[in-house]
Amino acid sequence: EVQLVESGGGWVQPGGSLRLSCAASGFTFNNYWMSWVRQGPGRGLEWVAHIKEDGSEKHYVDSVKGRITVSRDNAKNSVFLQMNSLRAEDTAVYYCVRINSRVSDKWGQGTLVTVSS
Amino acid sequence: DIQLTQSPSFLSASVGDRVTIACRASQGISSYLAWYQQKPGKAPNFLIYAASTLQSGVPSRFSGSGSGTEFTLTISSLQPEDFATYYCQQVDSYPVTFGQGTRLEIK
Repeated sequence: EVQLVESGGGWVQPGGSLRLSCAASGFTFNNYWMSWVRQGPGRGLEWVAHIKEDGSEKHYVDSVKGRITVSRDNAKNSVFLQMNSLRAEDTAVYYCVRINSRVSDKWGQGTLVTVSS
Repeated sequence: DIQLTQSPSFLSASVGDRVTIACRASQGISSYLAWYQQKPGKAPNFLIYAASTLQSGVPSRFSGSGSGTEFTLTISSLQPEDFATYYCQQVDSYPVTFGQGTRLEIK
């Protein structure tokens, strides 16, 4: 069974940093692109970032470029989201997502990030 | 960026009804469109890819159609478990974008 388990969310002040982790199991991790998608309170879904199977290619939504970095450790079946210079508008549930033929076929349960003073 | 506009944003229907949700892209995306269902407090669930191909395990009452800029998701006979929010997503080009969502509620 495919499982994606996020961790690392929490409360942080504006300008602060957080590192989200996602532990994957139940599939051959290094065969898949991975992604992060977020959902602000009462809002819709927003794609954040993609990372290629070997980590050699990354894509980001414009609103996070320069502040947020996606990475992965295939030896540990994990993907990460390093978030710096956080803003109130980054407050959201962050989902770890497996990409299969471009689409988001498996989702984690999400981890909540709250940016507030 | 490719904008996706769903209509309606809110839909009230009864069990057994046939409902259709539209998704319009701001430019052509061929068939690079997916649909997701999300229930309150839960992660989205993947329903349809390539505009019209049902993901394994998704009930056959769900169907998708369209290409280019106009797409639809149809539920042929609503079941109680179908009341949720539905999102379309384009995967033609970066940035990947989602529609704003259609909330389907029980009448």
